[in-house]
Amino acid sequence: DQQVKQNSPSLSVQEGRISILNCDYTNSMFDYFLWYKKYPAEGPTFLISISSIKDKNEDGRFTVFLNKSAKHLSLHIVPSQPGDSAVYFCAASALFQGGSEKLVFGKGTKLTVNP
Amino acid sequence: NAGVTQTPKFQVLKTGQSMTLQCAQDMNHEYMSWYRQDPGMGLRLIHYSVGAGITDQGEVPNGYNVSRSTTEDFPLRLLSAAPSQTSVYFCASSSVGGTEAFFGQGTRLTVV
Repeated sequence: DQQVKQNSPSLSVQEGRISILNCDYTNSMFDYFLWYKKYPAEGPTFLISISSIKDKNEDGRFTVFLNKSAKHLSLHIVPSQPGDSAVYFCAASALFQGGSEKLVFGKGTKLTVNP
Repeated sequence: NAGVTQTPKFQVLKTGQSMTLQCAQDMNHEYMSWYRQDPGMGLRLIHYSVGAGITDQGEVPNGYNVSRSTTEDFPLRLLSAAPSQTSVYFCASSSVGGTEAFFGQGTRLTVV
């Protein structure tokens, strides 16, 4: 049973436009959410996170939105750049409520930003 | 800064062979974990450790052993390699479990 779902395996956008990557979760115990970026032949790198007490967190071109009632989060990249082309993983943990040390990852979305 | 270091980067094993994937971190992190990445499957947790001497199973632990004798090192042992263990393996560490983790560059393992 997949607890973190990224239903779009791939996304293609034009340089300068907005990229929106989506993630849904089923476990209501999750209260901390993260996005990772992964280039080929490299390990994932942390991008941005949000706790369940917030509905938005912004860091430069990257903004994560959390809709707890819908159990949905999204990552917005504005403006998109060719260097953003990578696989993006959504992850979640029950950090505050459940005390779980585990990060649960989605399957990833491959973003391609075309020049 | 070294961060999380994994060795080897590539390995080919024959079915039934055993080997150890090494992972070391220099950030004094208590929490370490091992994931495998397979096409279309994302990152799946194999084993994790919340500190020296403490390990626990993740989502896909069968066929793997771990130990944590020091804070820095968290090796992953394949007891008897099977083709189903062909994958890319990532080690990660964090100061607190369930938060931002730092990943190594990965080990690409092929079992023939």
